[in-house]
Amino acid sequence: SAVISQKPSRDICQRGTSLTIQCQVDSQVTMMFWYRQQPGQSLTLIATANQGSEATYESGFVIDKFPISRPNLTFSTLTVSNMSPEDSSIYLCSVEQGVNTEAFFGQGTRLTVV
Amino acid sequence: GQQVMQIPQYQHVQEGEDFTTYCNSSTTLSNIQWYKQRPGGHPVFLIQLVKSGEVKKQKRLTFQFGEAKKNSSLHITATQTTDVGTYFCAGPGGSQGNLIFGKGTKLSVKP
Repeated sequence: SAVISQKPSRDICQRGTSLTIQCQVDSQVTMMFWYRQQPGQSLTLIATANQGSEATYESGFVIDKFPISRPNLTFSTLTVSNMSPEDSSIYLCSVEQGVNTEAFFGQGTRLTVV
Repeated sequence: GQQVMQIPQYQHVQEGEDFTTYCNSSTTLSNIQWYKQRPGGHPVFLIQLVKSGEVKKQKRLTFQFGEAKKNSSLHITATQTTDVGTYFCAGPGGSQGNLIFGKGTKLSVKP
């Protein structure tokens, strides 16, 4: 199993500002993912955080808006840049310890942009 | 790309009634996973099904994987208020090795 500490748990931010979300895992993992979950909706993958290389983004998400760092196998950050109210959502980091294995999630960051 | 469809979107039941959510994939899955997300919480893994026709039980929860490995169901017998939450199915096949999640079924239980 994996235990993930994600922070902040929630924040209210002014439009135009940026917020950096951190995820710390209690073990080394290769695969770390960042998801967005809008209220009442399913999980949408933003990007995969790759250690030692640039993140891989899904269609509709770009690095300038959601820069990601992955300095080692236990830590990653996601920044939501130049925020607008449309960015209000829950952001979740997730790890999988192998292909076709269960996913573990951080507690989520509930972001409100005003 | 691969899609995982899940119905119903919402289900309201009286405590003690049964509940079922269904998941269908556009392609054959090597496995399917189920997650539960409590209100205000994060998704938590429930189970993984791998074999064609597999049935697994966890107390009042019964999980099935179809013979063609393209559909699955979660059935809860005699729901309790602690069952409240959103249940997601998820299959492999994302372009980055990630899971593809269904839209989820939100279960509410009236005491």
